[in-house]
This record gives sequence, structure tokens and C-alpha cells, in this order.
Amino acid sequence: KQEVTQIPAALSVPEGENLVLNCSFTDSAIYNLQWFRQDPGKGLTSLLLIQSSQREQTSGRLNASLDKSSGRSTLYIAASQPGDSATYLCAVGASGGSNYKLTFGKGTLLTVNP
Amino acid sequence: DGGITQSPKYLFRKEGQNVTLSCEQNLNHDAMYWYRQDPGQGLRLIYYSQIVNDFQKGDIAEGYSVSREKKESFPLTVTSAQKNPTAFYLCASSVSGGGPQHFGDGTRLSIL
Repeated sequence: KQEVTQIPAALSVPEGENLVLNCSFTDSAIYNLQWFRQDPGKGLTSLLLIQSSQREQTSGRLNASLDKSSGRSTLYIAASQPGDSATYLCAVGASGGSNYKLTFGKGTLLTVNP
Repeated sequence: DGGITQSPKYLFRKEGQNVTLSCEQNLNHDAMYWYRQDPGQGLRLIYYSQIVNDFQKGDIAEGYSVSREKKESFPLTVTSAQKNPTAFYLCASSVSGGGPQHFGDGTRLSIL
């Protein structure tokens, strides 16, 4: 059974700092991996999706990497801003098509202080 | 604007009562999903559907039921058999299985 772990559980940084969020998974036979952001009391917003054949994806100040063989992904946030404060969730997708399911980590709560 | 609409935002259930959570999307997505989120926990999959009139159980389907009669709609019923229904329920959709999932703003269910 796939298990997804996110470290750290919480992170507080000053504005402008570059930071890395970590995600590890136990079964390397994945289809893809998705990073999401969740604001308090809200749904999730998709940030980046990395296919199993890819090594990284970039969107603006965000860069996600994937090392399938070691069961790890990182989300790099450059020049952090107070508006980046949220919970960041990693989710691993197994099997494409009709059997596709995501297994989520518990998230990292990020606070960016002005 | 295209998106996913969940209603109601807050819902209260009495003992022995069934309640239905609504999820509607106008993104023309084939796949739809229901998740449950408990404090300090990751999301857990309840049911999913890749096509109209077909759906599969997720990891925690007991005490829940769904239907998919229309592409746009995927309602979730929390039955009286679900003994611990208090949670935040999230609906999601994607173009197809494996694509980026788009989420609604959730329904918070509590017990009276």
C-alpha cells in the first residue's frame, strides 16, 4: 500500500527566503505526482503535475522535482512571499486511466512572515 | 467561469439521518472524485467515477453512496451507517484519470 510522507509538518520562514518542501513515497511504481496548495477552509489548488517519466516541472517561482527510484519529490519555492502561506500537499498517482487514484500526504503548513 | 461547485458549505446531520452533498462541474471533465479530510490528516478517497453511470469504491467507501447520472454531477450521500461522518468533504474533477485534479471549496459536515 502506497504511503506518502511530507517533511516538515510545519515551516516558518521570513519573507524573501528560498525554501524546499519534501515528499517521500514508499512504492516507486507511480503514474505521476501532483503538488497542491490549500488555504484554510478551502479546497485544493493544483500547482504542478510531474509525470513518472519527467524529472521536474516549473511554474513561476515554483519548481518540483521527482526522483522515482528513491521515492522522493521536492517543491522549491523561490523568493517566498506572505501570500505563499498555506498548506502544501503532495499526492502520488497510481495507474492511469480508469484506475487512477491519488494517495495524499498530510501536508506541510507554511508560514511566510513579512 | 468554469469550475466546481459544492453545496451546501455547512451541513448538519441528525442521528439516523441520510444527507446528500452536491457536486457540480462545468469543466466538461469525465472523471470526478470524492475525498474526506480530517484534521491533521491527508485526503482519503471515498468514491470516484471515470464515466457517466459508472463509479468505483475508494479506500473508505463504507457508509457512503454515490450516483453519476450526468457528466456534470456527482452527488455523495452520507448514510446513517457512517458512524463518524464529521469531516470536511471535497469533490474534485479531472479531464481524465491521471490529469490535474480541480477541487471545489468543500462541505463541512457536523453531527447535531
